[in-house]
Amino acid sequence: ILNVEQSPQSLHVQEGDSTNFTCSFPSSNFYALHWYRWETAKSPEALFVMTLNGDEKKKGRISATLNTKEGYSYLYIKGSQPEDSATYLCAARGFKTIFGAGTRLFVKA
Amino acid sequence: KAGVTQTPRYLIKTRGQQVTLSCSPISGHRSVSWYQQTPGQGLQFLFEYFSETQRNKGNFPGRFSGRQFSNSRSEMNVSTLELGDSALYLCASSLATGAPPSSTDTQYFGPGTRLTVL
Repeated sequence: ILNVEQSPQSLHVQEGDSTNFTCSFPSSNFYALHWYRWETAKSPEALFVMTLNGDEKKKGRISATLNTKEGYSYLYIKGSQPEDSATYLCAARGFKTIFGAGTRLFVKA
Repeated sequence: KAGVTQTPRYLIKTRGQQVTLSCSPISGHRSVSWYQQTPGQGLQFLFEYFSETQRNKGNFPGRFSGRQFSNSRSEMNVSTLELGDSALYLCASSLATGAPPSSTDTQYFGPGTRLTVL
């Protein structure tokens, strides 16, 4: 695993908007893809762990998909709320763990 | 169940000094990983410990070292501090029911230690 890229770097949306972010990773030597939410002044909180191509996980208004063949994962937030404002990190875990730089989401009420 | 705790929360040191950071994992968790976050950088993996043994190591100089005790508590040491070592240091624990720990194990992060090197 060499590098994990996340886009966009930051995102400003209005309350109620749906949004999505991308995490791309080298598809070779892939074992698992983790998503985290990191709110200011708090610890990163695990959202999803995904391993299989085509995996789709959901927690409330947040869902994620995984494509291991092309090396990307999408995180979706439906009906964004101000409390969703945070940095969303993805990490590719194999023998080592490589984090992306994160997508900073700002949700305006 | 108590979460991951890290001490101290804040630390100010000068160049050339050494520092030791401590991490207490969630009770029953056997794997502890350490990460560094500097401004503009994502979390950089430092090392992972499992059953008192370093299992994996990131691309950091030898000034960065760590250890894990029999109760799974872990310490990280940085010797000969440099200005660039100023960062937030996070540790994360996972249950690791298997040996070795699985890449699918959920990691639970502590609040971090903010180190400032002057």
